[in-house]
Amino acid sequence: EVQLVESGGGLVQPGGSLRLSCAASGFTFSSYWMSWVRQAPGKGLEWVANIKQDGSDKYYMDSVKGRFTISRDNAKNSLYLQINSLRAEDTAVYYCARAKWLDYWGQGTLVTVSS
Amino acid sequence: QTVVTQEPSLTVSPGGTVTLTCASNTGAVTSGYYPNWFQQKPGQVPRALIYSTSNKYSWTPARFSGSLLGGKGVLTLSGVQPEDEAEYYCLIYSGGASWVFGGGTKLTVL
Repeated sequence: EVQLVESGGGLVQPGGSLRLSCAASGFTFSSYWMSWVRQAPGKGLEWVANIKQDGSDKYYMDSVKGRFTISRDNAKNSLYLQINSLRAEDTAVYYCARAKWLDYWGQGTLVTVSS
Repeated sequence: QTVVTQEPSLTVSPGGTVTLTCASNTGAVTSGYYPNWFQQKPGQVPRALIYSTSNKYSWTPARFSGSLLGGKGVLTLSGVQPEDEAEYYCLIYSGGASWVFGGGTKLTVL
């Protein structure tokens, strides 16, 4: 059974940083692109970033370029999202999802940016 | 910057058929945009329904189908069930290995 479990969310002040993690199991993690998607409270889905199987290629939505960094550790079956210079508009549930197609999703982790 | 547009809301009667569309401001949505469709019910995690225009997952009910029509990605629900009431999102490839979601369509079954 494919499982994705996010962690690392929380309350952070504007300008702060967080590192989100996603633990994957039930599939060959190193064989798949992986993605992050977010959803602000009461709003729609927003594609954030994705990363190639070996980590050599990474892509981001425009508004997070330079502030967010996606990475992975295939030995640990884990995906990460380092988020810096946080803004109020980054408040959202952050989901990790498998592949470019986003076929499987985790339960999400809530990031709240507030002073 | 790619903007993807969906109908904000649609209403359908049980047993009826409804079509949801996905348009891009950059031009016609073609197979090269690899349109995907997702369903999200209140308080739940999104669930993938369709990938790459028309391909279904093992869990996708047969009444859901994807296609292209008139320069848009299309999700058709035939024989709508009450449990199909949900928000539906399309996702398309916008180039440069980036993807963009549409704003979502709230489907009411009434």
